[in-house]
Parts: sequence; C-alpha cells; structure tokens
Amino acid sequence: AQKVTQAQTEISVVEKEDVTLDCVYETRDTTYYLFWYKQPPSGELVFLIRRNSFDEQNEISGRYSWNFQKSTSSFNFTITASQVVDSAVYFCARTPGAGSYQLTFGKGTKLSVIP
Amino acid sequence: DVKVTQSSRYLVKRTGEKVFLECVQDMDHENMFWYRQDPGLGLRLIYFSYDVKMKEKGDIPEGYSVSREKKERFSLILESASTNQTSMYLCASRFTENTEAFFGQGTRLTVV
Repeated sequence: AQKVTQAQTEISVVEKEDVTLDCVYETRDTTYYLFWYKQPPSGELVFLIRRNSFDEQNEISGRYSWNFQKSTSSFNFTITASQVVDSAVYFCARTPGAGSYQLTFGKGTKLSVIP
Repeated sequence: DVKVTQSSRYLVKRTGEKVFLECVQDMDHENMFWYRQDPGLGLRLIYFSYDVKMKEKGDIPEGYSVSREKKERFSLILESASTNQTSMYLCASRFTENTEAFFGQGTRLTVV
C-alpha cells in the first residue's frame, strides 16, 4: 500500500505559537485526493480539508492553512496562533487515483497546546 | 447532517466468541470502511466496501470478515475473537473517492 507518513509523533507548543504538522505521501497516481482530520480528546474524527492532486493552490481557513506541494509529495498543515482547543491528534489521509476507493491514514500527530 | 452510527460504544467479549460490530449510515453513501485504532499505530484499514455486496481487503484483514447486504449497513465480524483484537474500531462512510469520510463514534472492544 502506498504510505502516508506523519513523522512527528507528538508536538508541544505554548499557546499563541504557530505550529506546522507535516504529511508526506507516496503515490504512483496522477490523480489522487488528500485529507486532514482532527481527533479531539472526545474521540470522534472531524474532517478539516480535502485537496485533489491537480489543485496546488494553498488554502487558508481562519487560523488554519495548508501547503500542498506535489514536487515533494507533501501536504503540510499550519495552525497560526495556536489555542488550547487545538489540542488533538491530527491525521493526514489519502485516496489513490480515480476509481480507487481505499482511504489510507498516517499514524497521526498528537498536538498539545500548553496555556 | 450525515450520521454514522455504531451499534455499541463499549463491548467486552471472551476469547473465541464470534463478534459482530454494526455500522449504519443515513446518507446513501456508496463507500464504507472499517478501521482499528491503536496507540502509536494510527488508523489501520481493515476492510472497505464500495457497493452492496462488494468488499475489498484493507491493510490488516486477517481475523476479520465483513458483510454489506444493504447500502446503509456495514458489519465487521470477528469469527473467533482473540486478545490481540482488543482495540478501538471506527466505521466511516463517504459518497465517492473524492469526498470526505464521516466517522462513527467508535466501538471500544475488549477481548478477555
């Protein structure tokens, strides 16, 4: 299976610091889809963003931004001015090319924001 | 709102029992998934289904089977539960491969 790698297992930051969560994926496809999910302490996974492989525009949503670079097979996630409510496990995920339905996740990065 | 409902939040079963984990979604989604989540290992895909009666193995299918007789329901079966199947099990569904998946609340299974 083509992997999704989140090299950072755990990160701790002090509130109001910026933090970037890394995601690197393997692919042999020209068309694929990437996702980020958040799993707060309550446990339920929450969808954050979807990106398809032919759209390399970066995206900003409030304090969240995503940097997609096909050249390095990376889809990194930055939280600006972190808050305690951002404490969670964050997962990057990928679906291979068109017609394939498998959704593969990385191992996740646990973010702790300290007040 | 899309709702994915797993039949139990917590289950305790004995080694060797046959265990059924049920998942129902209410949004007519084509794709459904079963994952297990273990500390340090993230979400690992057990099986997925892209249509009624269609299924494909994920990364860790050994010891599990699935059933999808109706579009809205996807069942995970442990034929003979073992202690190494103690885990959190998550069901998810989505419309197609380029849409987000919605997750259930999870079932924490303990096999004793």
